Amino acid sequence: AQTVTQSQPEMSVQEAETVTLSCTYDTSENNYYLFWYKQPPSRQMILVIRQEAYKQQNATENRFSVNFQKAAKSFSLKISDSQLGDTAMYFCAFMKLYNQGGKLIFGQGTELSVKP
Amino acid sequence: DTEVTQTPKHLVMGMTNKKSLKCEQHMGHRAMYWYKQKAKKPPELMFVYSYEKLSINESVPSRFSPECPNSSLLNLHLHALQPEDSALYLCASSQGQGNQPQHFGDGTRLSIL
Repeated sequence: AQTVTQSQPEMSVQEAETVTLSCTYDTSENNYYLFWYKQPPSRQMILVIRQEAYKQQNATENRFSVNFQKAAKSFSLKISDSQLGDTAMYFCAFMKLYNQGGKLIFGQGTELSVKP
Repeated sequence: DTEVTQTPKHLVMGMTNKKSLKCEQHMGHRAMYWYKQKAKKPPELMFVYSYEKLSINESVPSRFSPECPNSSLLNLHLHALQPEDSALYLCASSQGQGNQPQHFGDGTRLSIL
């Protein structure tokens, strides 16, 4: 069975600084997808970034980038130039593929606070 | 603004009531999902509909009854709920292929008295 582990329940960072959120996962599959979602207090789950396991290049979306280490089964998220609006719960997720879709398996989340 | 619309945003109901949650998307997505989320916890998958057919039921109690009337609509019918069912219920949709990201609505905050 696939599992996703986020070892940092809470983190804080000063505005404009860089922070890294860690995520590890366990799977025996070779082809899969990984995601980071953020959930601000407004409660909507927002996709931050996606990584395909078959791609060696790390995904980047503006200030957000990942460090994907397939052999180590590690998928950390780096937020550069942190902004107050980045304050949210961040969930790492593994996509288990089925014939007719996919099932997201989430980690327990990291609550990030960006301080002015 | 979210592209997945959920109504109502808040719902308070007694244990003997019958109510329904509604989810709508107009992105042409062919897979739709219901999740349950407790405070400070990750979402837990309940149901998956693919091309309007139920493809995954995560052993959810029968007091929760999903329905997909068409490719844009997903309902969750509620009956005889328990206080532990109080939670945020999130709907999501995706293009249908498993590798496509899921887009979430704002959720319905459900409280059972």
